Amino acid sequence: SQELEQSPQSLIVQEGKNLTINCTSSKTLYGLYWYKQKYGEGLIFLMMLQKGGEEKSHEKITAKLDEKKQQSSLHITASQPSHAGIYLCGAEHNNAGNMLTFGGGTRLMVKP
Amino acid sequence: SAVISQKPSRDICQRGTSLTIQCQVDSQVTMMFWYRQQPGQSLTLIATANQGSEATYESGFVIDKFPISRPNLTFSTLTVSNMSPEDSSIYLCSVARGAREQFFGPGTRLTVL
Repeated sequence: SQELEQSPQSLIVQEGKNLTINCTSSKTLYGLYWYKQKYGEGLIFLMMLQKGGEEKSHEKITAKLDEKKQQSSLHITASQPSHAGIYLCGAEHNNAGNMLTFGGGTRLMVKP
Repeated sequence: SAVISQKPSRDICQRGTSLTIQCQVDSQVTMMFWYRQQPGQSLTLIATANQGSEATYESGFVIDKFPISRPNLTFSTLTVSNMSPEDSSIYLCSVARGAREQFFGPGTRLTVL
């Protein structure tokens, strides 16, 4: 099994609807990163979570970290077509410095 | 954030040849990494580029196939050697500073015929 599982793998939502993407680690988390990738492009850093219970927001995107469950969730409120893309979570599984293991990604489509 | 550039942005290469990808950052960074993203898949770490010493490779990646240089704190190169169609991927460099934010370059899209 993968060290970092993302769900769902793909998601189609109507514009204006809320959605949640989950990322679950099979190993201890020292840090959890969320990125957005548009097709064929590089990754855009969204936010990084480190402490249990930490919650960060960027515009209409909120991410939370449940350290005990080794899980993070990314929540988008009132989705827009500009939110479409691939969302990737990346985990630090040791404290040696920034090497990330990535989940499989969630492909999000927002229908206008 | 860091401004990261990669060259080339894309290339089409013949089997058996080698390609060197450059990664330039606009400021000094502590850590630089190289990732590969195969078609339709997520990212896999190839190696950590260490300044002034040999890169640290992840399982499944070796120096002979992916030699890496990092002559200073703002620049690194990744060479994909003796290429085969299986090497067709997007190659991304990423950088991290002490603040534990990690940023990615725009990627190099490689197609091997």
